[in-house]
Amino acid sequence: DGGITQSPKYLFRKEGQNVTLSCEQNLNHDAMYWYRQDPGQGLRLIYYSQIVNDFQKGDIAEGYSVSREKKESFPLTVTSAQKNPTAFYLCASSARDGTRGEQYFGPGTRLTVT
Amino acid sequence: QKEVEQNSGPLSVPEGAIASLNCTYSDRVSQSFFWYRQYSGKSPELIMSIYSNGDKEDGRFTAQLNKASQYVSLLIRDSQPSDSATYLCAVIPTGFQKLVFGTGTRLLVSP
Repeated sequence: DGGITQSPKYLFRKEGQNVTLSCEQNLNHDAMYWYRQDPGQGLRLIYYSQIVNDFQKGDIAEGYSVSREKKESFPLTVTSAQKNPTAFYLCASSARDGTRGEQYFGPGTRLTVT
Repeated sequence: QKEVEQNSGPLSVPEGAIASLNCTYSDRVSQSFFWYRQYSGKSPELIMSIYSNGDKEDGRFTAQLNKASQYVSLLIRDSQPSDSATYLCAVIPTGFQKLVFGTGTRLLVSP
């Protein structure tokens, strides 16, 4: 089955620790995205990548880092510099050609930092 | 002014009624418009996309786009309790490769 997987579903960390969230897709999509969602709020873009070995900051990139070494994978690291890391993190992907930008989401990772 | 605006709701409708969800956007030349459904605790699911003025129907869902008035709407016919969710409107502004989301409208369908 084609789709986007994110792991783990729930993640708990102590304040001051870096943590890496996994995102893998087998849809052969070129573009991948990371969003953050806080309770009662919309989605905010953290980073996005339209091609391997290239990525751009979104609206709230401070305290986060990413890599895009493979087309299928776009891991997100939440660093200790992120002041309010507890949130629901969503990974998405889209094709670059032949579509008009539909993005498809993975199941999400709920991160709690105490 | 927010780029994409939605009434947060909740919008309450009885089972079998038509639910009408609205969204306005600020970039006059936006070209791509989407509706996502998000159940509580789950990730958003794409349910409709629309690119040209007019209506687009898919089963019980109809998306309506009016570029002159800068609004896009979603109609859900014969609403079911299982339609209870938050509906997110998303727009791709011209020249950008990223979606801009509204904060969503919560829909409650009562049996």
